[in-house]
Order: sequence, then structure tokens, then C-alpha cells
Amino acid sequence: KNEVEQSPQNLTAQEGEFITINCSYSVGISALHWLQQHPGGGIVSLFMLSSGKKKHGRLIATINIQEKHSSLHITASHPRDSAVYICAVPETSGSRLTFGEGTQLTVNP
Amino acid sequence: ETGVTQTPRHLVMGMTNKKSLKCEQHLGHNAMYWYKQSAKKPLELMFVYSLEERVENNSVPSRFSPECPNSSHLFLHLHTLQPEDSALYLCASSLAGGPPDTQYFGPGTRLTVL
Repeated sequence: KNEVEQSPQNLTAQEGEFITINCSYSVGISALHWLQQHPGGGIVSLFMLSSGKKKHGRLIATINIQEKHSSLHITASHPRDSAVYICAVPETSGSRLTFGEGTQLTVNP
Repeated sequence: ETGVTQTPRHLVMGMTNKKSLKCEQHLGHNAMYWYKQSAKKPLELMFVYSLEERVENNSVPSRFSPECPNSSHLFLHLHTLQPEDSALYLCASSLAGGPPDTQYFGPGTRLTVL
């Protein structure tokens, strides 16, 4: 089973700050997912990446396959970025994703 | 309507009730998933359907019974639930039935069992 650890568990920032959320996993993977869950519960897929870096607006995701580590960065953070950010990796077999416990981000104005 | 929809959004039921959760996707995907999210816990996969066949059943109690009549619809039938089954139930879909396909999630059904 792939173990997924996210840090920090909770993060409070001021508007405009640069945010970094980290994810480590134990077993080599083909791709990693970053998801965003808003207070209402709905989940949005932000990135799926297998190497290097991806950027979408103010969000940047990086992955280091050798070190089994990924980071999600938010530049110029805004209160609307407040959400739970979840990292997910596939199991070695089957259709299953293993999810991290999530990082609760609160951005204050 | 586009994306993945779930109904109802909120459900309160007694332990002796029978209810069903519905999920519908308008994305042309072939795989659909049920997840359970309890408070302060990671998402737990319950069931996976690929081309209307159940391909994964993650040791879920029989009081949860899934049904996938076609690739666009997925149901979760509930009966004789326990209070610890109270959680957010999320449906998702993906193009094919295995990772690392991107999964698209519905808004969830917040279930409370009294």
C-alpha cells in the first residue's frame, strides 16, 4: 500500500503570501494528483503530473519522482484559495487512489 | 447540465430507513466511483465501476449496495445504516477505469444517520 503524507496539516496565511504544501509517498508511481476541496464538499482536480512542473494560473505543482515528493505552490494567495488541498497517488495495482489527509489552507484578507 | 451531479445533496435518515443516493455524469466517461469521506479522515474508496461492471469493492459492508445501470448513472442503495456511516459520500467519474486518469467529482451527498 502506498503511504501518503501531507504537510502541513493546517496552514494560515495572509493575502498575497506565497504558499507551499508538500506531499510525500512511499512507493514509486506513474502520476500524482492534486485536488482542491471547498467547504461545501465538492472536489476539483487541479493537476495530474508525472514529472517536472505544471502551472495553471497562480497554481504550480512540481514533482520529484526519485525523491517521491511533490509540492503545490500558490502565488499571490487570495481568500478564495481557502480550501483543503489533497494529494493522491495510485496504488500499485487496481483502480484505487490513495489520498493524503489533506492540508486545510486559510487565507485571511 | 454538465459534469457530475449528485442527489440529494443532504440526507437525514433513521437506522431502519432505506434510501438511495444518485450520481449522474454527462462527460462520456466509462468509469464511476463511490467514495466515503468521514470527518477528519482521508477519502476512502468504496466501489469502482468500469463499463457498468463492478471492478472493485473495497470491503464495504453489505448495508451499502451499489448499482450501475448504465455508464452515465450510479446509485448507492442504503439500508439499516449505523450512525458511524454518517459522512460525505462523493461520486466521481473518469474516462477509463484505472489510475492515473483524472477523476471528476460530484458535489457530494452529506448523509446523517440518526
